[in-house]
Amino acid sequence: GAGVSQTPSNKVTEKGKYVELRCDPISGHTALYWYRQSLGQGPEFLIYFQGTGAADDSGLPNDRFFAVRPEGSVSTLKIQRTERGDSAVYLCASSLTGSATEAFFGQGTRLTVV
Amino acid sequence: SQQGEEDPQALSIQEGENATMNCSYKTSINNLQWYRQNSGRGLVHLILIRSNEREKHSGRLRVTLDTSKKSSSLLITASRAADTASYFCATDGNNDMRFGAGTRLTVKP
Repeated sequence: GAGVSQTPSNKVTEKGKYVELRCDPISGHTALYWYRQSLGQGPEFLIYFQGTGAADDSGLPNDRFFAVRPEGSVSTLKIQRTERGDSAVYLCASSLTGSATEAFFGQGTRLTVV
Repeated sequence: SQQGEEDPQALSIQEGENATMNCSYKTSINNLQWYRQNSGRGLVHLILIRSNEREKHSGRLRVTLDTSKKSSSLLITASRAADTASYFCATDGNNDMRFGAGTRLTVKP
């Protein structure tokens, strides 16, 4: 597609449920990033993929969070046993080869855990 | 954890004035990028400056980088009401990008 696409735009889930957030990067972009942004804060780094592998997952807050990119394109961020504190906007970005190139962001998924 | 810190946290100016935002960071970088965000959703890339560059221009934007002080500044000249947004710097050290908390710029018409 023309840009980074994230689905769904909004997700409301009950505490304790499992959610999956999807990111479709720009075609041909090898680098993919996930961020979490709370109100009034900057994007907080979660995980970075280069191709299919997670080059850096040091930002994942705990083992309830997991992300995959099995074919080096679409990525899914998975959150188990959601907690109210997980409520935030989850942003995905892709870039052609990595941080030396401009990253393009999707519009994000607003996750609300009730 | 976040790498950069923007200063000030909030800035309010009149249309036509210049706006200067600063970013400080902690570790060595390869590049530094500035982004703009409207309404708390997608970020838009403004400019990338490499660690061996000291200054870069793009339209009404001017970015400086001082690696000895680990700081960068973003200057928006002749501001417009449409420039109202949050501005973030993002640094990379290990091929990922880390953002600061941002500067909230309000340009009054």
